[in-house]
Amino acid sequence: SQQGEEDPQALSIQEGENATMNCSYKTSINNLQWYRQNSGRGLVHLILIRSNEREKHSGRLRVTLDTSKKSSSLLITASRAADTASYFCATARPTGNKLTFGGGTRVLVKP
Amino acid sequence: DTAVSQTPKYLVTQMGNDKSIKCEQNLGHDTMYWYKQDSKKFLKIMFSYNNKELIINETVPNRFSPKSPDKAHLNLHINSLELGDSAVYFCASSQEGWLGARGYTFGSGTRLTVV
Repeated sequence: SQQGEEDPQALSIQEGENATMNCSYKTSINNLQWYRQNSGRGLVHLILIRSNEREKHSGRLRVTLDTSKKSSSLLITASRAADTASYFCATARPTGNKLTFGGGTRVLVKP
Repeated sequence: DTAVSQTPKYLVTQMGNDKSIKCEQNLGHDTMYWYKQDSKKFLKIMFSYNNKELIINETVPNRFSPKSPDKAHLNLHINSLELGDSAVYFCASSQEGWLGARGYTFGSGTRLTVV
């Protein structure tokens, strides 16, 4: 089963609006990562947040982590058509030797 | 200057054939991976290698055999291909092991279609 599950599965917004997606996971983690995948392409690493961090920013991206609720959120502010992609969260446990991905959120930003 | 490169990008083959996918990274990373992405976009790890040593074999049929001749290369050989093997296969690499402190770098994927 997937360690992380994103919500919603799909999101459609107008350019300029903010997009928020959530990720829930089941076990303790060392870090949680967010990736973007454009159609037909590989995944691109966006941001990593460690288990002892609560919030991180990178440009128009804001990630929060609530380890008590085992959840994370990714906020994209002032979205652009180029932000249209699938977004995946992935969790790295303290042991286990692997990064486990959720099912992704498909984001469509309409111009 | 591609960081993680996979070849081929597309592979169409008949059931029962044997095929290989090659992966090379020029980032100096110590760990490499193969992930499989199915038609519903779920990504599942198949194998990971750290400095040429197999770390994970995630319940993958033994028709799949990874080979890492050096830490910059991780190839995937698949014997007796089946229809269910159709998917996109991604190679990835990371520094500092699976924790990927700076994230994983992915190749652009190999779309395998078995007919």
